[in-house]
Amino acid sequence: EVQLLESGGGLVQPGGSLKLSCAASGFTFSTYAMTWVRQAPGKGLEWVSAISSAGGSTYYADSVKGRFTISRDNSKNTVYLQMNSLRAEDTAAYYCAKPGEQWLVFRHFDYWGQGTRVTVSS
Amino acid sequence: DIQMTQSPSSLSASVGDRVTVTCRASQGISNSLAWYQQKPGKVPKLLIYAASTLQSGVPSRFSGSGSGTDFTLTIDSLQPEDVATYYCQKYNTAPTFGQGTKVEIK
Repeated sequence: EVQLLESGGGLVQPGGSLKLSCAASGFTFSTYAMTWVRQAPGKGLEWVSAISSAGGSTYYADSVKGRFTISRDNSKNTVYLQMNSLRAEDTAAYYCAKPGEQWLVFRHFDYWGQGTRVTVSS
Repeated sequence: DIQMTQSPSSLSASVGDRVTVTCRASQGISNSLAWYQQKPGKVPKLLIYAASTLQSGVPSRFSGSGSGTDFTLTIDSLQPEDVATYYCQKYNTAPTFGQGTKVEIK
C-alpha cells in the first residue's frame, strides 16, 4: 500500500525557515519523481515544486523560486522541502504527491499525503 | 504560462442529475489533463487522467472528455457522496490547477 507521510510543519515568523519531509513507502521510490503541492486555507491547489527520480532536476513555481529548495534521499525514501524567507502568503497545507507514472516529472498524481500545515505569522 | 479556467465556480444540482464541469486551457495541452475530487477536510483524490481515463476504483458515473484546450468532467447521476470541490490540472509542462468547482446538492 502506497503511503506518503509529511512532517515538519508548524508556526514560523515571517522571514523564518522550515524544512518539510515526506516519507514514502509501498512503491519503488527511486523510480518516481516527487512533487509538493500546497493549499492555502479556503483556497485552491497550487503546485509548488518537483524533483526528478534521481534528484538531478528540480522545478519550482515562480512564487517560491529562490526561496524554497526541494531535495530527496532515495536511501531513506524521503523527499524534502526547505523553505526559507517565509511569507504570510506561504501559509498553507503542504502535500507531497506521487505521479501516476514512473520516471516522468510532470504527471497526474495518484497518491497524496495527508499534508502538513505551515503557518507564517508573527 | 498556461492558465486553466474552470466553470462554473459552483453549482447546485439534484440527486440523479447529470452534472458537467468545464476546464479551458489558455493554450493547447493535448490530453495532458487530470480531474480531482476534494471533499471537505480531505485530501484530493484522482478521478481521471489523460483527459478521459478513469482512475481505478472510481465509479463509472464519472467521465472525462476533451483535447487541446477544452475539457469536460461529467457526473452522470449525481449522488450525495459527490458533494465536493473538483479541480482540473494540466501536466504537459509544470502543473497548473484550475480554481475549482464546488458541487452541492439542491
